[in-house]
Amino acid sequence: AQSVAQPEDQVNVAEGNPLTVKCTYSVSGNPYLFWYVQYPNRGLQFLLKYITGDNLVKGSYGFEAEFNKSQTSFHLKKPSALVSDSALYFCAVRDRSTGKLIFGQGTTLQVKP
Amino acid sequence: SQTIHQWPATLVQPVGSPLSLECTVEGTSNPNLYWYRQAAGRGLQLLFYSVGIGQISSEVPQNLSASRPQDRQFILSSKKLLLSDSGFYLCACRQGYHEQYFGPGTRLTVT
Repeated sequence: AQSVAQPEDQVNVAEGNPLTVKCTYSVSGNPYLFWYVQYPNRGLQFLLKYITGDNLVKGSYGFEAEFNKSQTSFHLKKPSALVSDSALYFCAVRDRSTGKLIFGQGTTLQVKP
Repeated sequence: SQTIHQWPATLVQPVGSPLSLECTVEGTSNPNLYWYRQAAGRGLQLLFYSVGIGQISSEVPQNLSASRPQDRQFILSSKKLLLSDSGFYLCACRQGYHEQYFGPGTRLTVT
């Protein structure tokens, strides 16, 4: 069965420091991977995706993610965190047979001034 | 690009009352449509998805139903709400092999 794991419920970083939100996956075949962000009482916003090609994917708001096939990981990164980055982040993998997204449980990012 | 509307934004309903949540999509045609529920601000549970008019797949047996009367309209319903139906309901849209886009959500509180 395909699955996604976000091992950290919460990540705390100081503003200006680099941030990493971890995601690992388990799929058969090549994965389609996604990151979304959710602000309180809002819908999910798409940040970036990996389908094929370069392992380093750049997305919205200065975020990027690195696909690592050997470690089955797709960690979200940003070189310099902003207080406004504080939100709930979801990693997802697409089930290639059904097209459905399988989401991780989410990681709350708290950026402190 | 597509825009997803959800109505209403918030809703407070008594136990046993009916429910109708609406999702409409602009800027695309023949999309795949999805209903999710998010409880306690965390994980997303896929409730229903639709690949076309009148085609509904249910992911979890429950007190809810879905319908797709038009290509860009997706409705979530219940005949009698339960307390456990409270949550944040999200509609999403996908076309082709691209990512899903989400609507703003409906906050449902069953009292």
